[in-house]
Amino acid sequence: DTAVSQTPKYLVTQMGNDKSIKCEQNLGHDTMYWYKQDSKKFLKIMFSYNNKELIINETVPNRFSPKSPDKAHLNLHINSLELGDSAVYFCASSPGLAGRDEQFFGPGTRLTVL
Amino acid sequence: AQSVAQPEDQVNVAEGNPLTVKCTYSVSGNPYLFWYVQYPNRGLQFLLKYITGDNLVKGSYGFEAEFNKSQTSFHLKKPSALVSDSALYFCAVREASNYQLIWGAGTKLIIKP
Repeated sequence: DTAVSQTPKYLVTQMGNDKSIKCEQNLGHDTMYWYKQDSKKFLKIMFSYNNKELIINETVPNRFSPKSPDKAHLNLHINSLELGDSAVYFCASSPGLAGRDEQFFGPGTRLTVL
Repeated sequence: AQSVAQPEDQVNVAEGNPLTVKCTYSVSGNPYLFWYVQYPNRGLQFLLKYITGDNLVKGSYGFEAEFNKSQTSFHLKKPSALVSDSALYFCAVREASNYQLIWGAGTKLIIKP
């Protein structure tokens, strides 16, 4: 069974469209994250949720809105997509916010905005 | 402020030789240190971590890392490299009292047959 899964794996869309990426974890973890990895492979934290509560909200445009319906799911909705949004988006989870916990990553969603 | 540096964009090693991927960090308190590996077109996988205790930490796939407090380093090592070790390696640090994880820029490791 996949521990952290994301759908879709690939997403190609036009500028201005709205799209969503879904993430689910079956590890029983309390904390989930969204990361953006750009073309140079830099990894940037976008959001973190703990027990469905937003904990980390880095400097991310308001067009990005995370939603956590329950502890096992953290979805990412993006409005009015721009060319610069093209990247690979990773979902991750960890047991909790404790500093010693490692994170478990999903396979990524490659978003291409044309 | 917390920070982590991976000074080498790329490391090239011949198969069978020892490898080292460097990582240095800066935190105000006690650090929690992590190494992750990313194979092409895959998500990141946890390799090992230092929390406390023995400075030499052993992890997956035969990797180990040594925590050096005086040099504020946490270099990743392996005694004998395999071609399959070729991947992107990320170091990350978190201050013990802080939940924010700071990521390095990544080091591309290329193992040549």
